[in-house]
Formats: sequence, C-alpha cells, structure tokens
Amino acid sequence: GQSLEQPSEVTAVEGAIVQINCTYQTSGFYGLSWYQQHDGGAPTFLSYNALDGLEETGRFSSFLSRSDSYGYLLLQELQMKDSASYFCALNRDDKIIFGKGTRLHILP
Amino acid sequence: NAGVTQTPKFQVLKTGQSMTLQCAQDMNHNSMYWYRQDPGMGLRLIYYSASEGTTDKGEVPNGYNVSRLNKREFSLRLESAAPSQTSVYFCASSREFNQPQHFGDGTRLSIL
Repeated sequence: GQSLEQPSEVTAVEGAIVQINCTYQTSGFYGLSWYQQHDGGAPTFLSYNALDGLEETGRFSSFLSRSDSYGYLLLQELQMKDSASYFCALNRDDKIIFGKGTRLHILP
Repeated sequence: NAGVTQTPKFQVLKTGQSMTLQCAQDMNHNSMYWYRQDPGMGLRLIYYSASEGTTDKGEVPNGYNVSRLNKREFSLRLESAAPSQTSVYFCASSREFNQPQHFGDGTRLSIL
C-alpha cells in the first residue's frame, strides 16, 4: 500500500526556521508536492520535488530523498501569516495521495 | 483572473436529496479533480479527469458520479445524499496529470 506520515502539529517562533517532515511508503511516484492551507481557505501550491535534493522558492524550500523515503518543507524567517496547515502529496501515475497535514502554530 | 470557480459555496441538503456541484477552470488545464476534506483526514480524491473525455475513480468514489462536460467544466453529483457525505468539497485543476494543482475555494456541504 501507500501512505504519507507527517506530524499533526508543529510550533515555532516568529522569525525562526521550522522544518516539516514527510515520510512515505509507496512503490513508485513521480514527485513530492507541498501545499499550504489557511483556515477556511483553499490549498495553494508551494513547491514540487521531482528529483532528489533541495528546491528553493523564496522563504520556502523543499527537499526529497528517495533512498530515505523522506522529504521536508523548510520555512525560514517565519511570519505570523505562515500560520496554516501544510500538506505533502505524492504524485503517482495513477493517483495523487495527500498526507493528513501539519498544523503550524507560530508564537510572537 | 478567476482560476478555478466552484458553485455553490454552501449547501444544506436532506438525506436522500440529489445535488450537483459545479466546477469550471479558465486556465486551459487538461486535468481536473474532485476532493473531499474532513477534519483530521486531509484531502481525499473522489474522482479525477486526466484529460477531456476521460474520468477515473479516486480513493473514495462510492456515492458520487462525475461528468467532464468539456475542457473547462467538471461536475460532481450526489445521487442520494447521506450524512456521511457532509464535508468540504474542493475542485482542482492542473496543466497535466501529476503537475501542481490549483484549487477552487470549496463547497461546504451539510447533509441532515
């Protein structure tokens, strides 16, 4: 089968750096995506890793290691507006599987 | 710059009623999707259309049907609503299957 595991909640301080991990079990996939969702809002695309390594987009970076079945989203210079839920998603050839999401709490 | 538009935004149904959720995208995307989101469950794929003229079941298709009316529009139908279908429904589209998805604002559906 296939599954994605991510922490249910993470807390960090404004201005700091936080890493949200995503581990998976699957037989094959094209890439790992990350989405952000604010309360009451729609998911919005943040980052995509088709290959192993780091992808950087402004304050957000995402990493994938296929050999370790692991990826993460790194948020730098945290701002209060980054308080949201973050989902990792596996892109397979027959389906897209979302994790259950990590709720990020940011303290002032 | 509408992106993905879902209608209605809110709906309350009685058990056994039927309902069609509408979705349209103006980005010329080939692939479209329907998800449901329940507390603590993340997003679960109901049905998807990888390209115009094709539809396929996702993770939780039971109780739903879909129609890819044309390249722009992808509707989701509940033939006989059940309380277990109370959820937030999101439509999404992507240029091709397996590429980053753009989501609509969601439809909040309550079934009594």
